[in-house]
Amino acid sequence: KAGVTQTPRYLIKTRGQQVTLSCSPISGHRSVSWYQQTPGQGLQFLFEYFSETQRNKGNFPGRFSGRQFSNSRSEMNVSTLELGDSALYLCASSGGTGTYEQYFGPGTRLTVT
Amino acid sequence: KQEVTQIPAALSVPEGENLVLNCSFTDSAIYNLQWFRQDPGKGLTSLLLIQSSQREQTSGRLNASLDKSSGRSTLYIAASQPGDSATYLCAVFGSGAGSYQLTFGKGTKLSVIP
Repeated sequence: KAGVTQTPRYLIKTRGQQVTLSCSPISGHRSVSWYQQTPGQGLQFLFEYFSETQRNKGNFPGRFSGRQFSNSRSEMNVSTLELGDSALYLCASSGGTGTYEQYFGPGTRLTVT
Repeated sequence: KQEVTQIPAALSVPEGENLVLNCSFTDSAIYNLQWFRQDPGKGLTSLLLIQSSQREQTSGRLNASLDKSSGRSTLYIAASQPGDSATYLCAVFGSGAGSYQLTFGKGTKLSVIP
């Protein structure tokens, strides 16, 4: 079974631009979560989607948004990029019920200059 | 608000030693606790998952325990090897209304010296 895939793997953007990151979950998984990892703050929860519905959202500004499609693939968008948005963005998938075991993708490294 | 603490922040041991990593959490309302490994610049690899009703899980040289009432978990690594060098992260999955998220500790950076 293929694992969680994230595209692109690396991204360089300029302050003020916007960016879209993509995540394809493990086949059959209906839940996708997004996390931001920085050296200072560690891993922080952004949002979780299950069957196209956002079930929970972390404490991030409205510039961070996401969505999930009917095939469970998810995208997250960051508008008006700031230098502080530079981070590793990790996506996790799970069945969404039962054990809630999370499986992570390799991440997208975003650098904002 | 759930908080997860990992001690120590860094650990250096000679190859072959047994070691214990510690994790504590403030809210016992959890579905499960997962231990992950992260290599530099990479994603997270799940090592062990312990359901809230379980006391421990074992996989090869790894053993994780959970004491939900005291808010503690330990990860025991037997006969450490240089390939075990990585950052180990503990995370709890909340069971409170609308949770559906992992809360992570800051990790323990392990170096195993050949």
